[in-house]
Amino acid sequence: QSVLTQPPSVSGTPGQRVTISCSGGSSNIGFQTVSWFRQVPGTAPQLLIFNTRQRPSGVPARFSASKPGTSASLAISGLQSEDEAIYFCGAWDGALGGYVFGTGTKVTVL
Amino acid sequence: QIQLQQSGPGLVKPSQTLSLTCAISGDSVSNNNVDWGWIRQSPSRGLEWLGRTYYTSEWYYDYAVSVESRITINPDTSKNQFSLQLTSVTPDDTAVYYCVRGSRRGAWYTIDFWGQGALVTVSS
Repeated sequence: QSVLTQPPSVSGTPGQRVTISCSGGSSNIGFQTVSWFRQVPGTAPQLLIFNTRQRPSGVPARFSASKPGTSASLAISGLQSEDEAIYFCGAWDGALGGYVFGTGTKVTVL
Repeated sequence: QIQLQQSGPGLVKPSQTLSLTCAISGDSVSNNNVDWGWIRQSPSRGLEWLGRTYYTSEWYYDYAVSVESRITINPDTSKNQFSLQLTSVTPDDTAVYYCVRGSRRGAWYTIDFWGQGALVTVSS
């Protein structure tokens, strides 16, 4: 029932760059800032990106994000084994009057 | 450092009320620049935002349409915590429940802190 759509999985080898897309609409991504969250299974999600492209302190610069139109994108450069996790996008939805999340993308390091 | 500590039963019978509490350390439930809410996660629903409360000269509440007839989020300023009550639960309400803090600055809003999560199972 997630409002935002993400690919189920992406994979890459160590050192590669991978990107994750997040597709929404005019009432959420198209109008609001986007956040990205990282979740290791069995633990709570953690904030990775806020205000569409800002990183909280402690998040490495190899995580970057952008928002072309009603889609958002997260890029992980220099992929590392510890990047294996599930990544979610999120945004406020003005039409629903609540926060909405993406379907989640599992990143696998080959 | 902000910490959110959740507590509450892990098993609730169908038709009863689910109740969880979230104790805040490192911030105040009355902070004007943030809000305090609940999110749940299940395989069938994914991450689902349930609602929030925030204080700006008075208390405000926003609830998801999917649960608005059954949900109450209450701040407790004396204990610096907030709670979730979800009435008339069904097995479909089985999920991991997270308490969270939302922050806003100008045009942006994000959910920046999460509690540890608690699995709540609805079963007889």
